[in-house]
Amino acid sequence: DAGVIQSPRHEVTEMGQEVTLRCKPISGHNSLFWYRQTMMRGLELLIYFNNNVPIDDSGMPEDRFSAKMPNASFSTLKIQPSEPRDSAVYFCASSLRLAGSYEQYFGPGTRLTVT
Amino acid sequence: DAKTTQPPSMDCAEGRAANLPCNHSTISGNEYVYWYRQIHSQGPQYIIHGLKNNETNEMASLIITEDRKSSTLILPHATLRDTAVYYCIGMDSNYQLIWGAGTKLIIKP
Repeated sequence: DAGVIQSPRHEVTEMGQEVTLRCKPISGHNSLFWYRQTMMRGLELLIYFNNNVPIDDSGMPEDRFSAKMPNASFSTLKIQPSEPRDSAVYFCASSLRLAGSYEQYFGPGTRLTVT
Repeated sequence: DAKTTQPPSMDCAEGRAANLPCNHSTISGNEYVYWYRQIHSQGPQYIIHGLKNNETNEMASLIITEDRKSSTLILPHATLRDTAVYYCIGMDSNYQLIWGAGTKLIIKP
């Protein structure tokens, strides 16, 4: 398996522009997670899906952020409009959530810079 | 919800065993302890998890005290490539991982 795939790996954009981050989870996994990592705040869970349904989006910072999972093999995280404080590394992770087994497998991340 | 406490940094000589401690005194009886690591500029990598018994896999061993208030991750023969931030993680009531600041482990030649 190729693991969790994220694209793009790097994104540089200007303030006010729309940014779309993409994720392909590991085949067969039923849960998907979006995280953001910064030096100041560490790793933060933004939202997670179970069987393509958003379960908890309490970590999404504000309405500028939205996430979708139209099918089991694809998810997007969109920021519109982007702001400099959104600059961070965004990770997608997937998991096969079974009783007693909740380990998550992370993608390589997308490094976002908003100028 | 489990909260974990780890030393902010540790050094270990290459080829020696690296022992990373973690305190999780508030962990409940059915909460697993997970260990991940993050090598610079990469996504976190799952290492191992356990509940009560000691666990071992190809990457590491996990020793959990009988009262489950602390655990130790052991890398038996540390290499330079093991330099990373190591996270000891509990779970919240929704089975989500609770990430802390981790321990920055530096392996020295």
